[in-house]
Amino acid sequence: SQQGEEDPQALSIQEGENATMNCSYKTSINNLQWYRQNSGRGLVHLILIRSNEREKHSGRLRVTLDTSKKSSSLLITASRAADTASYFCAPSFSGGYNKLIFGAGTRLAVHP
Amino acid sequence: EPEVTQTPSHQVTQMGQEVILRCVPISNHLYFYWYRQILGQKVEFLVSFYNNEISEKSEIFDDQFSVERPDGSNFTLKIRSTKLEDSAMYFCASSAEQGAWTEAFFGQGTRLTVV
Repeated sequence: SQQGEEDPQALSIQEGENATMNCSYKTSINNLQWYRQNSGRGLVHLILIRSNEREKHSGRLRVTLDTSKKSSSLLITASRAADTASYFCAPSFSGGYNKLIFGAGTRLAVHP
Repeated sequence: EPEVTQTPSHQVTQMGQEVILRCVPISNHLYFYWYRQILGQKVEFLVSFYNNEISEKSEIFDDQFSVERPDGSNFTLKIRSTKLEDSAMYFCASSAEQGAWTEAFFGQGTRLTVV
């Protein structure tokens, strides 16, 4: 499979709490990207982490990558209602596939 | 900040009619993509385009679909004879390098409704 699998499918939290989403994949990767989609809108790139990196930060976002377990996680700290969206991971596989493939995503709902 | 723009934002068409969805990618990008998202489902890859030709396409992208870069700025998706099941959001994207190697920028989408 050329896509990552996000887990959980849905996550509901209160404002101020942290949200953790996970992504698993099956074969070796070159990098992995995370995207966000607000309802009915286009996808927005969040972070790209390369296979030789273990952790990356961007503002309130922290992404980790464990290539031995073929998994990545996205942590959103101090969540806000505006973080309500679907989140997708997109692994770039070593086979040279030149397109992003998205799974079903994690639907995050942050309640005020 | 540069952005990908898509027009129209919403298109309603009758079954069997041809539609053209338009996109203006970011100006210095070289790789272009179309995706679609049927309501409530995941974002699906349709086609990638580089150097004025299709570099990859999915099973969804059958003979009813075509893409074109008619000038230096626009990138279009044509559906020749629309079907009810073509109703979806269609997203255009562009990237400076191959899509899986770098950040891709997505437009806000065109909602196509086939009646």
